Amino acid sequence: GENVEQHPSTLSVQEGDSAVIKCTYSDSASNYFPWYKQELGKRPQLIIDIRSNVGEKKDQRIAVTLNKTAKHFSLHITETQPEDSAVYFCAASNRGFQKLVFGTGTRLLVSP
Amino acid sequence: EPEVTQTPSHQVTQMGQEVILRCVPISNHLYFYWYRQILGQKVEFLVSFYNNEISEKSEIFDDQFSVERPDGSNFTLKIRSTKLEDSAMYFCASSGAGAGANEQFFGPGTRLTVL
Repeated sequence: GENVEQHPSTLSVQEGDSAVIKCTYSDSASNYFPWYKQELGKRPQLIIDIRSNVGEKKDQRIAVTLNKTAKHFSLHITETQPEDSAVYFCAASNRGFQKLVFGTGTRLLVSP
Repeated sequence: EPEVTQTPSHQVTQMGQEVILRCVPISNHLYFYWYRQILGQKVEFLVSFYNNEISEKSEIFDDQFSVERPDGSNFTLKIRSTKLEDSAMYFCASSGAGAGANEQFFGPGTRLTVL
């Protein structure tokens, strides 16, 4: 089955810096890759997603890139702010409406 | 904006007892899911449900687990005989149909503590 690896497990940056979180997946049939932000004790919140027919998607300070050949995708956050501090999870799915397989999470800490 | 809701927010139970976790998915969604997250770990898929039947389940979802959509709005997860290792946060999620149908929206979770 699908396996998603995520790195780094923790990431500390200064406010205003960029942050990059990387994930790799194993199943070449996966075609949907969402990113979730989870604040302490809260639900995972979808922040951006990408489908396999595009290589990059951007939404204000957040962007995701996908390399299908290498089977990896990355989350880029620019101009980080303290409120970006949270755990970020990548996930992959190989069919519409099917299960999400999550990565192990990255704890992002943005210091003022 | 519509949200997935879950009750209770926290459930404490004794080992061996049955628990039912309740979810109200977003009203026009057709696909429903349960995930769990053991403290400090990643989110793990348990089961997906569509058209009143299970469409996929993980190895975690053994005979002690069952799901039901008893009416047009609720979606429940039952654990028949809880074990200590069932202690986790349980998230319900739902997704719709058509464009953007992959997007799964999560509820706030039920923290299950088995003593």
